[in-house]
Formats: sequence, C-alpha cells, structure tokens
Amino acid sequence: DTAVSQTPKYLVTQMGNDKSIKCEQNLGHDTMYWYKQDSKKFLKIMFSYNNKELIINETVPNRFSPKSPDKAHLNLHINSLELGDSAVYFCASSRAHRVSTDTQYFGPGTRLTVL
Amino acid sequence: AQSVTQLDSHVSVSEGTPVLLRCNYSSSYSPSLFWYVQHPNKGLQLLLKYTSAATLVKGINGFEAEFKKSETSFHLTKPSAHMSDAAEYFCVVSDRYGNKLVFGAGTILRVKS
Repeated sequence: DTAVSQTPKYLVTQMGNDKSIKCEQNLGHDTMYWYKQDSKKFLKIMFSYNNKELIINETVPNRFSPKSPDKAHLNLHINSLELGDSAVYFCASSRAHRVSTDTQYFGPGTRLTVL
Repeated sequence: AQSVTQLDSHVSVSEGTPVLLRCNYSSSYSPSLFWYVQHPNKGLQLLLKYTSAATLVKGINGFEAEFKKSETSFHLTKPSAHMSDAAEYFCVVSDRYGNKLVFGAGTILRVKS
C-alpha cells in the first residue's frame, strides 16, 4: 500500500549512458514532482507536473526529460549521463499545486551513481 | 529570495531529554513553513506546517514548532526524545508564489541511550 513508489532504488551506470527512473503514486493526487538531493544533502525542485502538464522546470539541463503518461505516473529520463548527475532523486506528489498548503508525499528516493 | 538556514548540521541528545532543532528563515512576505523528517533509506515525511494560523504548531510524534516573526525563526522542539526520533530533519519554506518548496541543508539528530 505504498503511497509514492520509485524504481529502481539504486542505479549505477557509466558516463554517457541514458537511464530512466520511474515514479508512481496511488493517492489520487493531481500534482507530481521530481527533486534532486546532492552530496551536501540540499534538496532542490527539478520539475512539477499538474494533471500531466508541466508547471515548473527549474532550469534543469534538457538532458533531463520528465514524462507523465497519466496523473499517477511521472518518469524521469536522463540522456548522456554526467558525473555531476550523481545524486538521490526523489519523487513526490500532492493533492493540487498549492505548495504552501498541500502536503507533499515523498517516495523513498533513487540513488544514482554515475561512474 | 526566500531561504532557510538550519543552524546545526548535527544535534546529539540523550533519550528522554528535550530536542531543539533550530531554523531561521529569510522572506520578504508571510511564508508557509514546514518541517520534514527523513529516516534512513526512507522518503521525507511531513512533521508539521505553519500556514499563517496559530503560531504554535503541533505535529506528529510529539513535535511542535513556534513561528516567531520578530526573530524570523521556526525552531522544532520535542519535550522528550525517543530512540526512534533519530533521523535527518529539514526546515522548508514555500516560495512567494506558492509554486515550490525551498529546503534547508538538514540537521541530523542522534539520540543516545
């Protein structure tokens, strides 16, 4: 009965490869997010989608392409992986895009290591 | 721009003693403020949030935080620490337009038996 799930949990890959991380929420929420947590533990928003439409793209390189096939899924595809992409990526969801009031529910994270 | 500063990267307390995790914010408007907790290998969980109602906010697991505008602070407290409280805690502010959350650097809480 996991609310927000991500796969895979760990991902180790070589520079230059293309990889995807999947996220699914079973809460019936309209809004989903991707966050990046770097080695210094700072969490920063990357993207947010509301009803499959892109709301926020926080100056993320275009090698990162989110895809939302439906409201319950927001996948993250990364092309030409670089060393600096190594981080923990968190997916989250909320009822609506009222960040100041709607609680965001986070997935367990995907630890990406680029060698 | 809005930001949060968590004043301690690590806090260590003994079980049964009070917990204080400090957070200062910077904002030119009335912010919404949150505390999230992250247990090892788990996602973040909301502890409590302040959204311009009562300045003393009670959260889950006995935690509470007080919004002090004059001090631009939103410190997290708990009267008596439990071993299960050992985790990393993030102070968070929403941006001016309510579009995104801005996270602090986190405070790791260690609870000694």
